[in-house]
Parts: sequence; C-alpha cells; structure tokens
Amino acid sequence: DAGVTQSPTHLIKTRGQQVTLRCSPKSGHDTVSWYQQALGQGPQFIFQYYEEEERQRGNFPDRFSGHQFPNYSSELNVNALLLGDSALYLCASSLNGAGGLNEQFFGPGTRLTVL
Amino acid sequence: AQSVTQLGSHVSVSEGALVLLRCNYSSSVPPYLFWYVQYPNQGLQLLLKYTSAATLVKGINGFEAEFKKSETSFHLTKPSAHMSDAAEYFCAVSDPNQGGKLIFGQGTELSVKP
Repeated sequence: DAGVTQSPTHLIKTRGQQVTLRCSPKSGHDTVSWYQQALGQGPQFIFQYYEEEERQRGNFPDRFSGHQFPNYSSELNVNALLLGDSALYLCASSLNGAGGLNEQFFGPGTRLTVL
Repeated sequence: AQSVTQLGSHVSVSEGALVLLRCNYSSSVPPYLFWYVQYPNQGLQLLLKYTSAATLVKGINGFEAEFKKSETSFHLTKPSAHMSDAAEYFCAVSDPNQGGKLIFGQGTELSVKP
C-alpha cells in the first residue's frame, strides 16, 4: 500500500499565477481533506471532499478551490497566487463515517514557494 | 468555536528523561482530541486519539495522554525519551458533529539531547 501520495513535491511560482496540486488517497479511502501549513505553524484546514462534493470548508478565500474525481483522487487549485500562499500543502485521506473518528492519513505534502 | 493551545514552542529533554508536551483545548461540545508527530520533510503521523472512552489513552512509540475535562487539557507524555523522538508534535481537536475537520495547535518542537 503506497499510502497517501502527493505531487509535485516542490513547486515555485510567481505572484498572480495559478497552481494545481494533486493527491491520491490511501487505498480504500473515500474522503480527502486539504490543509495549509505555513512555516512554523500548525496545519490549517482548507476543505474536505467526499463523493466528489466539497463537504466542509475552512476560512480560506474563493481563490482556493478543489475537485475530487470518481477514483477519489483530488486536486487543490489556487488562483492569483500571493506571497502569503507560500506553505506546505498537506493532503489527508480517510474513510467516511464514524463522526470523524476514522484516522486521517497524511501525505508528505507539496512545498509551494511564491516569489 | 474550537481551538487548541500548545504551551511551549520548543521543549528540550535529555535522553532517558520524561517527555511532557502540554495541550489545552477549547470546545463547546465534547471533543475528539488527537496528537500527531511530524518528522522533517514528512507528513503527519497519528500518535494517539481520545474519543470519550478511557481518559488515559495509550499510543504508539510509548506515548500516552490523559484527558482532563476540568482542566481542558490533553497533555502528551513519555516516561523515557529516545533520540528518535526528536520531531514536531501537534495537538488537534475536532467536533464530532463536523465529520473530521481538524483544528491544530501551533506545534511543539521536541529536541532530545544525548
């Protein structure tokens, strides 16, 4: 089992550009959550996808959007990049149900640098 | 709203000494509580979780945490530190009614001296 995989590992963009990050969940998982981890901070919840729909959203602007595909993989898109978007973006997968008790398995993250 | 406060951004202990990482939470409903560990250039790994069963929770790698409702705390301990325990530790809370959204603390970096 490959666990949660994310691509790319690192990415450098300039202000105003758009970026797409990708995540493949752990085998058997149907729910994907995205988190932003700024340097020296704890991860912050961006949104969660289940059954190809955004189920929950954190306090992030509409520049942040996502998608979940029928195979449960997911993309995170960020438009009009700002310097403050520089962070480690973490994807976590889990199995739906149990009121959120099911363990979220995290990928290694994508390090985004905005210049 | 829920929140987590981790006391101490850096903790340093000697190998073999007690590890104590502090976490206080705020929640309007009985929460689920978690401790995660993050090694350099890696994602987060779950150490243990509290789900309203036993208040003393045992996790992986010899770690345990005690839920104290009266103190709104969920401190992480390990009797004897090992060099391999050096990492960043995050406490997190979730609302059982919100299906898995995790609210993380700022993190505590643990250093272990030989």
